[in-house]
Amino acid sequence: QLQLQESGPGLVKPSETLSLTCTVSGGPISSSSYYWGWIRQPPGKGLEWIGHIYHSGSTYYNASLESRVTISVDTSKNQFSLKLSSVTAADTAVYYCARLKVRYYSDFWGQGTLVTVSS
Amino acid sequence: DIHMTQSPSSVSASVGDRVTISCRASQGLNNWLAWYQQKPGKAPKLLIYGASSLQSGVPSRFSGSGSGTEFTLTISSLQAEDFATYYCQQTNSFPITFGQGTRLEIK
Repeated sequence: QLQLQESGPGLVKPSETLSLTCTVSGGPISSSSYYWGWIRQPPGKGLEWIGHIYHSGSTYYNASLESRVTISVDTSKNQFSLKLSSVTAADTAVYYCARLKVRYYSDFWGQGTLVTVSS
Repeated sequence: DIHMTQSPSSVSASVGDRVTISCRASQGLNNWLAWYQQKPGKAPKLLIYGASSLQSGVPSRFSGSGSGTEFTLTISSLQAEDFATYYCQQTNSFPITFGQGTRLEIK
């Protein structure tokens, strides 16, 4: 069974860089059938698409975050990562990683990790 | 950006009821529309994709319909485990966007 697990600091200071890693188990991240994405959810609010990556390294970023976001993939470790720079309190959210099947539908999700931006 | 509007924002229902949730898009979606269920403290779960295709393992009481800009999620006979928040998502064009959510509560 495919599993995704987010990891990284739960607390980040304002203006610093948020870094998270998603470790995929139970299947290869290099599968040609899937993309791998990041989605976030501020406490008590709705879902926001951050971006996604293919195993080749091609990426898409939400334009609202594009200047601050980098998503990368490490096929040797079966991991993909998110970096979000110059964070503010508005970036406080639960961050989810997910597998994206046809047409970017998220069919497997990590459990999510809460990242709080605070000094 | 394509704006997704769900209605109602919240609904109260009883076990056994039939419930419908609507989702309207600001532009046509070519049926690239999904529905997710989210329970408190959990990740969303894919229920429906392509507007009407049932994701593997999802009970058949869930169904999706619609086209163009108007879509509907129907739960034919509510079960206790269905009380949750439901989101629609469009993947027709970037950025991928979600509706604001519909909270389904026990009456």
